[in-house]
Amino acid sequence: GAGVSQSPSNKVTEKGKDVELRCDPISGHTALYWYRQSLGQGLEFLIYFQGNSAPDKSGLPSDRFSAERTGGSVSTLTIQRTQQEDSAVYLCASSLMGGNSGNTIYFGEGSWLTVV
Amino acid sequence: DQQVKQNSPSLSVQEGRISILNCDYTNSMFDYFLWYKKYPAEGPTFLISISSIKDKNEDGRFTVFLNKSAKHLSLHIVPSQPGDSAVYFCAASDSGTYKYIFGTGTRLKVLA
Repeated sequence: GAGVSQSPSNKVTEKGKDVELRCDPISGHTALYWYRQSLGQGLEFLIYFQGNSAPDKSGLPSDRFSAERTGGSVSTLTIQRTQQEDSAVYLCASSLMGGNSGNTIYFGEGSWLTVV
Repeated sequence: DQQVKQNSPSLSVQEGRISILNCDYTNSMFDYFLWYKKYPAEGPTFLISISSIKDKNEDGRFTVFLNKSAKHLSLHIVPSQPGDSAVYFCAASDSGTYKYIFGTGTRLKVLA
């Protein structure tokens, strides 16, 4: 597809379980972002990958959260030992960095995570 | 530390009138700004951008104004339409990193 693809679109998990969320960015986009939006809140920055540079992990809320990006394309966000406060929609975005049209980031539809 | 702030959580406007959504930032290194619209259960969609070399950018019914000295930007929608009812987010970054920080959003309701 032409857009950012995220899976699963919805996930219900039990407290204490691990979850993996996947993001397929737009082909050729070198930058990839993860954000989350908790109920009634804004978009919270989690992590940012740019090309081959070390990722900016400054937004990850705890060491239970990690993300990787393999081959400069697909990214996986992993949440270990999930807690109820992790319930949110997790949004992935990508961008073609550089050039006059490279500064806009494009979002996927999000993965809705509910921890029960 | 909220570097990007949207102080109005909600706004109601009559159809056909102007909607003005405001955004303030604190980091003087920010030099590129984006506005997004978000409908429930969908990802944010890009509306319009502005870089710090400009003070205005226009695209159809949408105009963004940037006041660098005040660290303030605003999105004007004229004329407002019921389909514009959504949550609007502003985002800011510096062109060295393109790490975008988003505001908390403003829910716009356009009344028919």
